[in-house]
Amino acid sequence: DTEVTQTPKHLVMGMTNKKSLKCEQHMGHRAMYWYKQKAKKPPELMFVYSYEKLSINESVPSRFSPECPNSSLLNLHLHALQPEDSALYLCASSQDLGFGQPQHFGDGTRLSIL
Amino acid sequence: DAKTTQPPSMDCAEGRAANLPCNHSTISGNEYVYWYRQIHSQGPQYIIHGLKNNETNEMASLIITEDRKSSTLILPHATLRDTAVYYCIVRVLKGRGGADGLTFGKGTHLIIQP
Repeated sequence: DTEVTQTPKHLVMGMTNKKSLKCEQHMGHRAMYWYKQKAKKPPELMFVYSYEKLSINESVPSRFSPECPNSSLLNLHLHALQPEDSALYLCASSQDLGFGQPQHFGDGTRLSIL
Repeated sequence: DAKTTQPPSMDCAEGRAANLPCNHSTISGNEYVYWYRQIHSQGPQYIIHGLKNNETNEMASLIITEDRKSSTLILPHATLRDTAVYYCIVRVLKGRGGADGLTFGKGTHLIIQP
């Protein structure tokens, strides 16, 4: 069991659909992250939120739109995705106090684009 | 962040100590060494981190050479559940509000043999 909960676990969508991935943590962490992981590859950072503000965007296409409505929730809104966007999307959270606190990951949402 | 080099795969017998090496010859004085692992179909899991002293926790030990150019993660009594990809990551600690993501390399696929 992980302390970072991601829903849904699996998602299949067409290229014209709009969907959202959700991530929730109740550990009081103030930094939250989205990563993308293609099959047999390491995770790659997409976005970082620090104290509910977007602090890092790793040049992610605009068809991915992150949102942090409060300190416990992180969303990733998806629109007009391409087949190559099929991947495992991982959410993580951590303290953000400057002491190198580890990141805690959820088990991801496996996304398939038809 | 400094680059790391790890063997792509390793085998270890169940019950024996698993020793996973990592080379980080360009590490800077203010960079820490972190280890994470990813078990199949799960998100990455934090194991341990250190600066220059050896570290031990309930999961593993981290041995960092005196020149800090390499390190070894030790799982003292490996079990089948330790089969996973192990990632060695070097990163600079930022101040409060400076959360940044992890840069994963290809890691080492550790296979524990019964």
